[in-house]
Order: sequence, then C-alpha cells, then structure tokens
Amino acid sequence: KNEVEQSPQNLTAQEGEFITINCSYSVGISALHWLQQHPGGGIVSLFMLSSGKKKHGRLIATINIQEKHSSLHITASHPRDSAVYICAVYNTDKLIFGTGTRLQVFP
Amino acid sequence: EPEVTQTPSHQVTQMGQEVILRCVPISNHLYFYWYRQILGQKVEFLVSFYNNEISEKSEIFDDQFSVERPDGSNFTLKIRSTKLEDSAMYFCASSLTNEQFFGPGTRLTVL
Repeated sequence: KNEVEQSPQNLTAQEGEFITINCSYSVGISALHWLQQHPGGGIVSLFMLSSGKKKHGRLIATINIQEKHSSLHITASHPRDSAVYICAVYNTDKLIFGTGTRLQVFP
Repeated sequence: EPEVTQTPSHQVTQMGQEVILRCVPISNHLYFYWYRQILGQKVEFLVSFYNNEISEKSEIFDDQFSVERPDGSNFTLKIRSTKLEDSAMYFCASSLTNEQFFGPGTRLTVL
C-alpha cells in the first residue's frame, strides 16, 4: 500500500469549474507539500503546510493532521492549470510522493 | 529569485557507462537531495546529504550510486555502471529548513 494516496488519478474539467484533489497519508509527517509538474517534467512548489489552510491566488490548500488528509482546491479553473498535481509528505529527512493527479481543463 | 540548476538537461549513455549528473543548489542551502522519476511512475527518494555526508538513502541507492559535493557549490550524483532501468528523470533539490526547492531535472536515457 502506498504511504501517500491521491484521488482522483485523472480529472477533467471545464474552464471555470471548482476542482478538488485529495491526499491521504499513513506515515508521520512534519509537513506536506503540494507540487505541480508540467509535461516538460519540471516540478514547481505550490504550497508547504503543516496545519490549517493556505491560499495563493486561485489555489487553496488545507490539511487535517488528525485525519492525515489534505486537499488542494482550484477555483475558477483555467486551461493553463492543466498539469499533474503531486502531494508529497516530509517524513524524517525526505519527501514521500503520491502518484499524482493528472488534471486537464478544457475551454 | 535563486533557483536550483541542473546539467545536462538530457544525457544519453550506453549501458555499463558511468554518468555524472550535476546540480547547483541554492547558495545558502544546507540540505541536498536526489530524487528520480521513471517514466509514468511517481517520484522516488534516492538520497539526502547534509554536512558533507549522506544522512539518509533509499533501497534504490545501492553501491552503483554515489554523491559528492566537490567544491562547495556543485552537488553531483554518479552512477558507476548504468543499467537500462536507470533511465529516468533525476531531480536535485535543496533546502535551508524544511521546504525543498527542485531543479528542472536531468533526463537520463540508457541504451
């Protein structure tokens, strides 16, 4: 069983829709990272959080430490949001990655 | 804004050859990492490095792999004798505290 599970694996949306990606983990963590990976392969950090909620533009991330769960929300989605979104948790000295959620937003 | 850089962006090598992947972490960072991502799979941790020594390594990081910080700015990953299954994207990351910053990756293709 993966230590970090994401759902859904694939997600399609129409432009303007509200999107939620979920992440559950089974290990102890010090923080959780939401990352974005574009087709070229590069990884970009979106958020790092260890409690509560963070907002950056149209992106909102929440974490519930007791339930070992985090969500990434995208409001008013846009085709340029199309990418793979990855949840990764800080465990000891390393990141453990989820398998990613492939998002496609159509105009 | 400071960033992690990696060279080369793409490396093609023959099976059995040695390769060195190079990374320049953000200058005041203290912790350094290598991760890899086989095509279509999730990113996997290889090794972390702090204070000039390995602090943690995964099962993947066997005797064929080594890391070095030769000159205080570069951070290298060496694969001694490449195998076909080493073909992957290799990401370097660095951090000062908890948050890791990733380089753009090196795509390694072993033929």
